[in-house]
Amino acid sequence: DAGVTQSPTHLIKTRGQQVTLRCSPKSGHDTVSWYQQALGQGPQFIFQYYEEEERQRGNFPDRFSGHQFPNYSSELNVNALLLGDSALYLCASSPLRGGGPQHFGDGTRLSIL
Amino acid sequence: QKEVEQDPGPLSVPEGAIVSLNCTYSNSAFQYFMWYRQYSRKGPELLMYTYSSGNKEDGRFTAQVDKSSKYISLFIRDSQPSDSATYLCAMTGGTSYGKLTFGQGTILTVHP
Repeated sequence: DAGVTQSPTHLIKTRGQQVTLRCSPKSGHDTVSWYQQALGQGPQFIFQYYEEEERQRGNFPDRFSGHQFPNYSSELNVNALLLGDSALYLCASSPLRGGGPQHFGDGTRLSIL
Repeated sequence: QKEVEQDPGPLSVPEGAIVSLNCTYSNSAFQYFMWYRQYSRKGPELLMYTYSSGNKEDGRFTAQVDKSSKYISLFIRDSQPSDSATYLCAMTGGTSYGKLTFGQGTILTVHP
């Protein structure tokens, strides 16, 4: 039973560029949440999707956007990249429209030069 | 003040020791409490998931929640070098149910 998978594992971009990160949830899960984890810090909630709609959003600017597809997979898009966007981006999935524990993937490490 | 406070450590203990990890929080709406373990270059792995106050045991791990004090703990018995990792507490509830709020993480090293 495959867990949460994320791609790519590493990404290097320059300031001002745009990036798309991808996530496939664990089998049987319908909800995807995205988190940003800076070095030495706990993850910070970006947003959550189920039924292909954004259901909750954390304190992140509109440069961060997302999408959920009918097969429950999800994308995180970040526009106009800043140096401060360098972080580990984690995807978590959960069952029951978010009503169960969240299981995380290994993340995408994004470096901005 | 952060919603969830966790001592970042680092914490270093000998193999076989009992480890106590703790978090305090300020939001009384939190009802679901989790502990995750994160190895270097990996994502957080769910260890314990509890609802409301009380204790939960799973093998060498015991989670305790005291909602009256807004304090949660994770105990690790007979610690092993393989337990060396960062431990993250997380919680959710109320109108923000589904949004996990994490502590900073505690770095634990168990030396042989």
